[in-house]
Amino acid sequence: DVKVTQSSRYLVKRTGEKVFLECVQDMDHENMFWYRQDPGLGLRLIYFSYDVKMKEKGDIPEGYSVSREKKERFSLILESASTNQTSMYLCASSRIGQPHEQYFGPGTRLTVT
Amino acid sequence: AQKVTQAQTEISVVEKEDVTLDCVYETRDTTYYLFWYKQPPSGELVFLIRRNSFDEQNEISGRYSWNFQKSTSSFNFTITASQVVDSAVYFCALSAYSGGGADGLTFGKGTHLIIQP
Repeated sequence: DVKVTQSSRYLVKRTGEKVFLECVQDMDHENMFWYRQDPGLGLRLIYFSYDVKMKEKGDIPEGYSVSREKKERFSLILESASTNQTSMYLCASSRIGQPHEQYFGPGTRLTVT
Repeated sequence: AQKVTQAQTEISVVEKEDVTLDCVYETRDTTYYLFWYKQPPSGELVFLIRRNSFDEQNEISGRYSWNFQKSTSSFNFTITASQVVDSAVYFCALSAYSGGGADGLTFGKGTHLIIQP
């Protein structure tokens, strides 16, 4: 059974803290993605990666960075968390090539106070 | 730029009614893929269907059916004889094919479907 796991379901951090959100997939997928989901805005792409150490900006990369040191793991980093980064963060993975269906993790609800 | 519009923010129907969720997309690419995902109250997105821009055949899977029309840039989703378990937020999404690497999905804002018993 395919699986994408995220390190935390709920996280509370203070403004200015450095925050790491971890995502691991066990499907040997090349592509991995980070989205944030906000009410009334749907899901928006933050960053994605198509290979180890490769990364591409999505639609809303400002205030975020990513790291992909191993194929199965893709980390989202908030260098200095702000209250407007309070959101649900969803990680996904997919096979390489033509756009395939993405498999999503359960999400991390981050609150920045 | 790509765009997906789901004009229906929320739909409420009584169980066993048929319901159609609308999706209209915009893209300049000639090769693209369309998706529908379901997000139940538990929160995890569940993949329902993928369609490429060259395949306009409608698809039926049990009580679910999809109507893809390039002429109107629409990819609508119909649930026949709805059930309470169909209650969820449904997202339509679009991805262009750049010929290599990965491409993220462009999502609509979602339609919250409520099936009342």
